[in-house]
Amino acid sequence: AQSVTQLGSHVSVSEGALVLLRCNYSSSVPPYLFWYVQYPNQGLQLLLKYTSAATLVKGINGFEAEFKKSETSFHLTKPSAHMSDAAEYFCAVMVNSGYSTLTFGKGTMLLVSP
Amino acid sequence: DAGVIQSPRHEVTEMGQEVTLRCKPISGHNSLFWYRQTMMRGLELLIYFNNNVPIDDSGMPEDRFSAKMPNASFSTLKIQPSEPRDSAVYFCASSLGGSGSGANVLTFGAGSRLTVL
Repeated sequence: AQSVTQLGSHVSVSEGALVLLRCNYSSSVPPYLFWYVQYPNQGLQLLLKYTSAATLVKGINGFEAEFKKSETSFHLTKPSAHMSDAAEYFCAVMVNSGYSTLTFGKGTMLLVSP
Repeated sequence: DAGVIQSPRHEVTEMGQEVTLRCKPISGHNSLFWYRQTMMRGLELLIYFNNNVPIDDSGMPEDRFSAKMPNASFSTLKIQPSEPRDSAVYFCASSLGGSGSGANVLTFGAGSRLTVL
């Protein structure tokens, strides 16, 4: 079975500062990894995905994530936070085996202050 | 495409009443998922359909919950009778392609916020 752990239910940064949201996964087979973002009162939107190609994945809105197998991590980063980045971010894992589905982490709320 | 469409967006009901949530997936998508989101438990997969067939319903909490997908363009999630602990946001999502393909991306609806008094 696969699982995801997101460290920190809330992360606060100042506008212009580096954003780092942490995600560690557990999977018995090579995983596919995703980051989704949820704005208030909306559904989840895909930010980026790792599907065993390049380990550094670039997504929308300037976000990127790096797959590190040795650390079982897939942390999300953005060099400079904008106020509009304030949202909840979810890391998710899926394995390419049979009828596999997405398993989500508990989410990290990103707060951006002026 | 209008995306995944869910209705109602908000539902307030009294304990014991029947609740029906509806979902229209993206045209051409052949996988459909129902998730529940709460503060305590986060996002939980309730049930997953592939080509209108329920594949995994192990996440359905109990017999009060049921889901159907009579055709490729419509699914319902029913709770009967509803209880206050069912209060949550229920999301429907759809994807293209067969199961097990990690490249498949789920597209989520805006959710149905259920409050059971």
